Amino acid sequence: DSGVTQTPKHLITATGQRVTLRCSPRSGDLSVYWYQQSLDQGLQFLIQYYNGEERAKGNILERFSAQQFPDLHSELNLSSLELGDSALYFCASSVEGRMSTDTQYFGPGTRLTVL
Amino acid sequence: GESVGLHLPTLSVQEGDNSIINCAYSNSASDYFIWYKQESGKGPQFIIDIRSNMDKRQGQRVTVLLNKTVKHLSLQIAATQPGDSAVYFCAEKAGGGADGLTFGKGTHLIIQP
Repeated sequence: DSGVTQTPKHLITATGQRVTLRCSPRSGDLSVYWYQQSLDQGLQFLIQYYNGEERAKGNILERFSAQQFPDLHSELNLSSLELGDSALYFCASSVEGRMSTDTQYFGPGTRLTVL
Repeated sequence: GESVGLHLPTLSVQEGDNSIINCAYSNSASDYFIWYKQESGKGPQFIIDIRSNMDKRQGQRVTVLLNKTVKHLSLQIAATQPGDSAVYFCAEKAGGGADGLTFGKGTHLIIQP
């Protein structure tokens, strides 16, 4: 158990809908990262937040957004869902995220199925 | 990194043998490398990391080797056990601090009894 929690574990929804995925980082970690894992693209970095502020952006679509709250939990919002958005979404956390050698610990993931 | 596709490279080893999983990285600016293990239905689990100023690092039953000249990373697992069955990913991070990890395609390690 990494100490990172994610809810829900599974999510099934329809095209065009909007969903919110939630992540709680390890106790004491200030940085949260979101990743998408799909069969064709593998594991891809989406976005990073550090202490409530956006720190870095990866391959995140404009239909997706995220935020980190004062209690450091984070939410990833996915809107106008398409079939291709079906994937595993992982959250990871690290102590700071300013150092390139900061270890990222991953949560168990949310499996999103868009029908 | 490359896309995973439906078929991952597979390494099949006998229980008790040593395993070597290889990874090629593409970014010369990467200065931090990590190996993760992912079991079915779970998130990636940190195994071992290495900074670019090192060429070898050892952990418990695992060793990571880094060859910056040819941009190659390897993970050696000693005395492989059934619990080592999983997909193994190498990941890299460029220097400068903020940013996510870039993952390789992954290798599926299968342990034969």
